Amino acid sequence: DIQMTQSPSAMSASVGDRVTITCRASQGISNFLAWFQHKPGKVPKRLIYAASSLQSGVPSRFSGSGSGTEFTLTISSLQPEDFATYYCLQHNAYPWTFGQGTKVEIK
Amino acid sequence: EVQLLGSGGGLVQPGGSLRLSCAASGFIFSSYAMNWVRQAPGKGLEWVSGISGSGGSAFYADSVKGRFTISRDNSKNTLYLQMNSLRAEDTALYYCANLYSSYWGQGNLVTVSS
Repeated sequence: DIQMTQSPSAMSASVGDRVTITCRASQGISNFLAWFQHKPGKVPKRLIYAASSLQSGVPSRFSGSGSGTEFTLTISSLQPEDFATYYCLQHNAYPWTFGQGTKVEIK
Repeated sequence: EVQLLGSGGGLVQPGGSLRLSCAASGFIFSSYAMNWVRQAPGKGLEWVSGISGSGGSAFYADSVKGRFTISRDNSKNTLYLQMNSLRAEDTALYYCANLYSSYWGQGNLVTVSS
């Protein structure tokens, strides 16, 4: 099974900060990786698909990069509505696996 | 408008069984693989199971393999998750999802407790 190691598990940041979250796959997954944002009481929202493609309607401050085993989600300028938990998901091979999540909190 | 309406959650004793259903509308159901994703209280998202569009292939997380069975009825546009031998650690909010298009149901709570 492919393990997804996400870091950090939590972070404190201020509005306007640049935020970077990383996912590392235990084996190569090409670009079969998505990033989700999850807020309490809401369903998860996909931000990025195919590692670097921005989901329609998602602000351009979100970006994704990487291929193979190393992937990054970047928020260029953190906004108040961005405080949430973020997850990566590999869908290269079953069983699909999420990263452990990164909770972005207000500093 | 895409809708995924889940049902069937509730309270069940350890060792018991429960079946979740998810009725889909607004997209061509049979064309898409479907998935179940869960979130236990205070924990992260966990992919549970997936099934191909035809229903011919099914896949499971190790944590549920041999206890849960995913299925679908494309004539009814409905996805199912049969959960047997339930354990306390299966307590979670269960989402049905088309992860390729990122369509999610609202989630159904399953509580396993005596």
